[in-house]
This record gives sequence, structure tokens and C-alpha cells, in this order.
Amino acid sequence: EIVLTQSPATLSVSPGERVTLSCRASQSVNRRLAWFQQKPGLPPRLLIYSASTRATGISARFSGTGSGTEFTLIISSLQSEDFAVYYCQQYDTWPPSFTFGQGTRLEIK
Amino acid sequence: EVQLVQSGAEVKKSGESLEISCKASGYIFTNHWISWVRQRPGKGLEWMGIIYPGDSDTRYSPSFRGQVTISVDKSTTTAHLQWSSLKASDTATYYCPRHVGDDSHAPGEFWGQGTPVTVSS
Repeated sequence: EIVLTQSPATLSVSPGERVTLSCRASQSVNRRLAWFQQKPGLPPRLLIYSASTRATGISARFSGTGSGTEFTLIISSLQSEDFAVYYCQQYDTWPPSFTFGQGTRLEIK
Repeated sequence: EVQLVQSGAEVKKSGESLEISCKASGYIFTNHWISWVRQRPGKGLEWMGIIYPGDSDTRYSPSFRGQVTISVDKSTTTAHLQWSSLKASDTATYYCPRHVGDDSHAPGEFWGQGTPVTVSS
């Protein structure tokens, strides 16, 4: 099973700052990597898929880069509504075992 | 508008059976894969398995194979997640996301609101 490791576990940042979140895969997932945002009591929301494609309706301040085993989610100029937990997910394996990372919590500094 | 509406919260005892549902609307049900995802209280997301409603092709994560059953009813455009014998460790919120496009290799784009399941021992 592919293991996804996200770093850092928690990040304290101020509104307006630029943020970089990391997701590392234990083996190549090509570009089959997605990023989700989750707020308390709500389902996850898809932000990015295929490593760098923004999902419908997602702000351009969210961007994704990477391929193979190293991926990054960048949030430019953090807004108050961006404080949440962020997960990466790979969907490359077959038979499928589409694992998630353990999450990164963005907190207000 | 694509919608996935899940059944309500459940409170059960260990050893009991349970089936929860995910009613899909606003798209051609048989053309898109649906996953099930578990989230234990205060914890991260765990992918459980997927199903293709067109032909009921079903795949399970190794961690969940034999523990749950995923199915669909095309006549009601509903996906189901079933347990034959619940454990306290099944206490979690369960989500049903529909995949992006018609590819099995895709993340969940549209998500149900979640079904909380509480299992007491």
C-alpha cells in the first residue's frame, strides 16, 4: 500500500501569508494526486486533482505542483476561510487502494 | 445539480447489522464511480472502496475487504454500505463521494453530507 506523508502536521500562519504544504508518496503515483480541504462538521472539498488541475469553482489562490513522489499545495495570500485541515490522496494504484495522507492543520497565528 | 444525500445518523450495538445509503441525483448514475470513505472521530480520512453503478464492479481497500459490503440499486440511484456485525471500532462518519468524470482513477468531486454511525459495546 502506498503511504502518503504530509508535512507539517500543523502550521500556524497569519492571514495574507503564502503557505506551502507538502505531500510525499512512498512510491510514484505519477500525477494521480488530489488535495482536499475539510472544515469541522463538513465533508471534504476537492481543491486540486491530477496534481495541478483546480476543481470547479476553486479560487486561483490554490495551486498544486509535483509528480512522482513529491507534491505541493500552495495557497497564496491566506484568507480567513482557508483555515482548515488539508489532505492529499493518491488514486494511482490498481487494484485500487486510494490512500489519504494524515492531514495538515492550518491554524491562525 | 449533482447531489448525494446520505441517510441519517445511526446508533447501534456491537454485533448488530446496519446498512446506510447514499442517494444520487442530477447526473447519469450509471456513468460515475462512487467511493466510500471513513472518518473516525477526530481522525483523518480512510478510503474504503469503490463501485461502478453501471455494472456493479466493486473493489475494496485491503483494510476493509470482508468487513463491509458495497452495493448499488440502479432503480433508485442509491449506493449502499452494509455491515453484518458491527464493532465499536466502526464508530465513525461515513462519506460517499462521486468521482471526477467517468474514471475509476479519480478523486471524489461531489460528496454526501456524511452519515455518523455510533456503535456501543
